Amino acid sequence: AQSVTQPDIHITVSEGASLELRCNYSYGATPYLFWYVQSPGQGLQLLLKYFSGDTLVQGIKGFEAEFKRSQSSFNLRKPSVHWSDAAEYFCAVTNNAGNMLTFGGGTRLMVKP
Amino acid sequence: EAQVTQNPRYLITVTGKKLTVTCSQNMNHEYMSWYRQDPGLGLRQIYYSMNVEVTDKGDVPEGYKVSRKEKRNFPLILESPSPNQTSLYFCASSPGTGHSSYEQYFGPGTRLTVT
Repeated sequence: AQSVTQPDIHITVSEGASLELRCNYSYGATPYLFWYVQSPGQGLQLLLKYFSGDTLVQGIKGFEAEFKRSQSSFNLRKPSVHWSDAAEYFCAVTNNAGNMLTFGGGTRLMVKP
Repeated sequence: EAQVTQNPRYLITVTGKKLTVTCSQNMNHEYMSWYRQDPGLGLRQIYYSMNVEVTDKGDVPEGYKVSRKEKRNFPLILESPSPNQTSLYFCASSPGTGHSSYEQYFGPGTRLTVT
């Protein structure tokens, strides 16, 4: 069975600082990976996705993520955080049929002025 | 505007009173799914549907029913709600064919409280 672990429940960074959110997955085949963001009281918005090819993927709002097969990781990064990035971030993996999307527990990001 | 809509957005009900949360998408997507979100657990899949009249269980289907009679609609039914079904529910859809179509589009959520 597939699974996703986000080790950090809460992270606080200063505005302008760099950010890395960790994600580790477990899946027997080549994974299809996603990062979603959920602003307070809102639904989920897709930040970026990885299916194959270049292991460094670019997303919206200046985010990027790197797929590392050897470490079973798909960490999300941003070089300079803005106050509007405060939200909850979810990593997810889907099976090859695309019908079972499994989420991690989420990381809540707080941004200090 | 392409979107997934859910109704109601907020619902407070009592144990045992049947309820239905509707979900509709206007993107002609084949795949639809329901999730519940609980603190610390992320989102967990309840049921999904690959196409009309085709539904299957996700990770936490107990206490829920679904139907897919039309492509655009995928209602979630709680026949006898219990307090442990108090949660935030999301409906999602995707084109469903080919891995590049696996991106799911989420509705705004329905916050359900069962007392």
